Amino acid sequence: ETGVTQSPTHLIKTRGQQVTLRCSSQSGHNTVSWYQQALGQGPQFIFQYYREEENGRGNFPPRFSGLQFPNYSSELNVNALELDDSALYLCASGRTSGFYNEQFFGPGTRLTVL
Amino acid sequence: AQTVTQSQPEMSVQEAETVTLSCTYDTSESDYYLFWYKQPPSRQMILVIRQEAYKQQNATENRFSVNFQKAAKSFSLKISDSQLGDAAMYFCAYSGGGADGLTFGKGTHLIIQP
Repeated sequence: ETGVTQSPTHLIKTRGQQVTLRCSSQSGHNTVSWYQQALGQGPQFIFQYYREEENGRGNFPPRFSGLQFPNYSSELNVNALELDDSALYLCASGRTSGFYNEQFFGPGTRLTVL
Repeated sequence: AQTVTQSQPEMSVQEAETVTLSCTYDTSESDYYLFWYKQPPSRQMILVIRQEAYKQQNATENRFSVNFQKAAKSFSLKISDSQLGDAAMYFCAYSGGGADGLTFGKGTHLIIQP
């Protein structure tokens, strides 16, 4: 167990809707990252938050946004859902020490877009 | 952009035997980290082993060891005395440090034959 939890476990949405996924990090961790893992693929980096500000982003459009809260929780919001957004969404929290940021993953939220 | 390639979609090994999973990567950086993660059917990504690029000595964690060839940009994982609990997807990942997130390969599905 990594101490990182995510909710909900599964979610079904319709194309065009908006969704919010939640993550609870380990106490003391100051970064949270989100990844999208399509079926049969490796995870892809969406973005990272450090001290409640986005400080790194992968190749994802602005309709993917996030929030990080002082109580070690965070959210991933996806607007205008598309069929290709169906995937496992992984949250990873960590404590950066400059260059190195070891990340601890949650169990993921499986999102299905119909 | 960095890329990570895992050329073995699936590997099978007899229980108690040794298996090696391959990974190559491409980067122009000199300082970076490499990781092997295990993802069982429970979906939670678990860190198996990590290697700092500036360290010439190969990392070892119990039955897991790596063969890191920096010039060849190769990073293979050797699992000795394979156990049924080792069955999972294994992902090789690269981190350039900071807020860039992890870059993952597509994974290798490891099957352990009893």
